[in-house]
Amino acid sequence: EVQLVESGGGLVKPGGSLRLSCAASGFTFSSYSMNWVRQAPGKGLEWVSSISSSSSYIYYADSVKGRFTISRDNAKNSLYLQMNSLRAEDTAVYYCARDGILTGYPLDYWGQGTLVTVSS
Amino acid sequence: DIQMTQSPSSLSASVGDRVTITCRASQSISSYLNWYQQKPGKAPKLLIYAASSLQSGVPSRFSGSGSGTDFTLTISSLQPEDFATYYCQQSYSTPRITFGPGTKVDIK
Repeated sequence: EVQLVESGGGLVKPGGSLRLSCAASGFTFSSYSMNWVRQAPGKGLEWVSSISSSSSYIYYADSVKGRFTISRDNAKNSLYLQMNSLRAEDTAVYYCARDGILTGYPLDYWGQGTLVTVSS
Repeated sequence: DIQMTQSPSSLSASVGDRVTITCRASQSISSYLNWYQQKPGKAPKLLIYAASSLQSGVPSRFSGSGSGTDFTLTISSLQPEDFATYYCQQSYSTPRITFGPGTKVDIK
């Protein structure tokens, strides 16, 4: 069974840093591109960042570029998101999600999410 | 960036109703359109990919259609467990994907 479990969320002050983790199991993690998607309270879904299977290709939304860093450790079946210079508008539930190998690469599995709150 | 819109933003329906949600892209995205269902406090769940392909395990009352810029998600006979928010998402510009604003389906 495919499982994605996020951790590392919490309360942080503006300007602070946080590192999110996503532990994957039930599939060959090293074969899949992975994503972070966030959802502000009561709002819609926003793609944040993507990393290819071998970390060769990395992409960021303009809203986080230069502040967030995505990475992965295929030996540990883990995905990470280092978040620096956090702002109030980064407050959201952060989901890790797998790029499916189906036509069009939909996000076929999602974790349960971890809440990041940026507030003084 | 490709912008996605959905209509309506919310709707009220009864069990057994046929429900249709529309999604429109700001440019042609061929059939690179996916639909997700999200219930309160839960992660989104993939329902439909490539505009009309049903994800494994998803009930056949869900169907999708469309290509280019206009797409629809149809629930043929609404069930109690279908009350949720539905999002469309374009993967034409993957990995820079974008989601629609969502359509909340609640009980009439």
